[in-house]
Amino acid sequence: AQSVTQLDSQVPVFEEAPVELRCNYSSSVSVYLFWYVQYPNQGLQLLLKYLSGSTLVKGINGFEAEFNKSQTSFHLRKPSVHISDTAEYFCAVSGAGSNYKLTFGKGTLLTVNP
Amino acid sequence: EAGVAQSPRYKIIEKRQSVAFWCNPISGHATLYWYQQILGQGPKLLIQFQNNGVVDDSQLPKDRFSAERLKGVDSTLKIQPAKLEDSAVYLCASSARQLSGANVLTFGAGSRLTVL
Repeated sequence: AQSVTQLDSQVPVFEEAPVELRCNYSSSVSVYLFWYVQYPNQGLQLLLKYLSGSTLVKGINGFEAEFNKSQTSFHLRKPSVHISDTAEYFCAVSGAGSNYKLTFGKGTLLTVNP
Repeated sequence: EAGVAQSPRYKIIEKRQSVAFWCNPISGHATLYWYQQILGQGPKLLIQFQNNGVVDDSQLPKDRFSAERLKGVDSTLKIQPAKLEDSAVYLCASSARQLSGANVLTFGAGSRLTVL
């Protein structure tokens, strides 16, 4: 079984400040890791993914995340946020293999204030 | 490429009524998923299809929910009879296997169900 814990349900920040959204996972097998973003009344959009290789992964909109196997973490970071980054962010994990299901965390609401 | 299409976007029904949601995945994607997202929670997998066969439906409440994927393309998710706790957004997603072996999901905009 696998699970995801997003440590903060809400993160308020000011525009142009840096932000880190925390994600920890548990799994008994090798994993693939994902961050998705959900804007109001929309579906989920893939921000970035870790499948293999470099542990630092860059995604769209200036976001990046680092896979830390020893700490079972996959924290999302952005050095300078914009108002338009206000959204719900979901961390997700799947086991390595095509039939492992994708398990999501409960989400972190990022609110960027002017 | 065209994205994952879902309809209707919004539906309001009374409890004990029935409802159906439709999904058209990205062309060529063999795997199709239905997720339920209750307000304030992350999406939960209801059912996963590989072509027109079911891979995982362990979390589908089979006494009231059913899903089919005819001809391995479009899919329909039905709820009958609906309960108040079924109020949620129903997300459809599809994927094609990556070279790494991972499934990377592309989601539709979702169908928001309100049960009164």
